[in-house]
Amino acid sequence: GAGVSQSPRYKVAKRGQDVALRCDPISGHVSLFWYQQALGQGPEFLTYFQNEAQLDKSGLPSDRFFAERPEGSVSTLKIQRTQQEDSAVYLCASSLVLRSSGGETQYFGPGTRLLVL
Amino acid sequence: AQKITQTQPGMFVQEKEAVTLDCTYDTSDPSYGLFWYKQPSSGEMIFLIYQGSYDQQNATEGRYSLNFQKARKSANLVISASQLGDSAMYFCAMRPAITSGTYKYIFGTGTRLKVLA
Repeated sequence: GAGVSQSPRYKVAKRGQDVALRCDPISGHVSLFWYQQALGQGPEFLTYFQNEAQLDKSGLPSDRFFAERPEGSVSTLKIQRTQQEDSAVYLCASSLVLRSSGGETQYFGPGTRLLVL
Repeated sequence: AQKITQTQPGMFVQEKEAVTLDCTYDTSDPSYGLFWYKQPSSGEMIFLIYQGSYDQQNATEGRYSLNFQKARKSANLVISASQLGDSAMYFCAMRPAITSGTYKYIFGTGTRLKVLA
């Protein structure tokens, strides 16, 4: 019973470099979320997928951030031209389905810690 | 605007005693879900408990219970019989109903709980 996995676990990038962060959700999970967690803060919502459809990208901080889930399973979060303020832990979470007002259990991955120098 | 407030940055509790972690929220949506998550030092977020806004009874999950006071917009987490393994960061979160058009989870800033032997 594999959980949500993320790779790489750690990434150091030079300012201006592009990075790609991968999330493997639990098999069969329809819903997938990406979050950004700055040091000492709670997670901040970035985007939500239902299968391959990106239904909410209201949390993406700029057009440098792009996420995809082309086959409804693995998802990639791409950050172009990284800036120092992008340094954070990026968390991925999946769940079976979203119920109308909650009640679903989100399963989180271990996160990718991104450091931009 | 929707917001979660956790006013206790840090809490101590003696092993085997109960502890209450405070959470207040602000939303104009009539339907929403409230959640608590635990984040140990390893970094992985763990779902603890859920309360729907229309649920009449307070949610309970083992040693966790949620003291839901809708009129006061509070959703405090009660941990009974604290264990050393409960030492972690605890986050309160909210998600409005899907019918609101958003899938955005909103997290508080967290409370760091330390259980003393």
